[in-house]
Amino acid sequence: QKEVEQDPGPLSVPEGAIVSLNCTYSNSAFQYFMWYRQYSRKGPELLMYTYSSGNKEDGRFTAQVDKSSKYISLFIRDSQPSDSATYLCAMKPGGTYKYIFGTGTRLKVLA
Amino acid sequence: KAGVTQTPRYLIKTRGQQVTLSCSPISGHRSVSWYQQTPGQGLQFLFEYFSETQRNKGNFPGRFSGRQFSNSRSEMNVSTLELGDSALYLCASSFSQGGVDTEAFFGQGTRLTVV
Repeated sequence: QKEVEQDPGPLSVPEGAIVSLNCTYSNSAFQYFMWYRQYSRKGPELLMYTYSSGNKEDGRFTAQVDKSSKYISLFIRDSQPSDSATYLCAMKPGGTYKYIFGTGTRLKVLA
Repeated sequence: KAGVTQTPRYLIKTRGQQVTLSCSPISGHRSVSWYQQTPGQGLQFLFEYFSETQRNKGNFPGRFSGRQFSNSRSEMNVSTLELGDSALYLCASSFSQGGVDTEAFFGQGTRLTVV
């Protein structure tokens, strides 16, 4: 079993929809959580960075961390065709330097 | 502020050759990590450097090596290339100083094709 599980998709939604992307993990020591967006043939772009549990909002993006359930989510409000990309979750324990990545979810926002 | 810069962007090499990839981190960042990204395996951690010292290493063979210079720039080297080494190689930099962990920012990657 992988340490971080992420549904590969593809997930297709109409423009303007609320998108929910999720990752589950098995290592209870994970404390730092990140979400990246990656367009085809580009490097990952950092969207959200969260320490420990709770919610964090930035514009149309909201990240949630539920450590008791070992579950993290990224919500995208008012989704746009330009949001079509692969979304990667990443996480690591404190005091370590190696992030563990999910395999990524492909999102398609249809105009 | 300039982002993470990786050079070259594309490389085509022949089996058995060696290759060196370069990464310049964001100014002020002293931690540099390297990842290999393939369609089948996703992002796999190679190694991480801080102040010219390797602090952590992933599960890759010894053909994969790296180093970091005093200006925090980093290089990774792959010797005796195999077809399976074809991948996007990504470099990430972060602040990571004084026990403070920060987010990691990625470069655009170097796409290596081994033929």
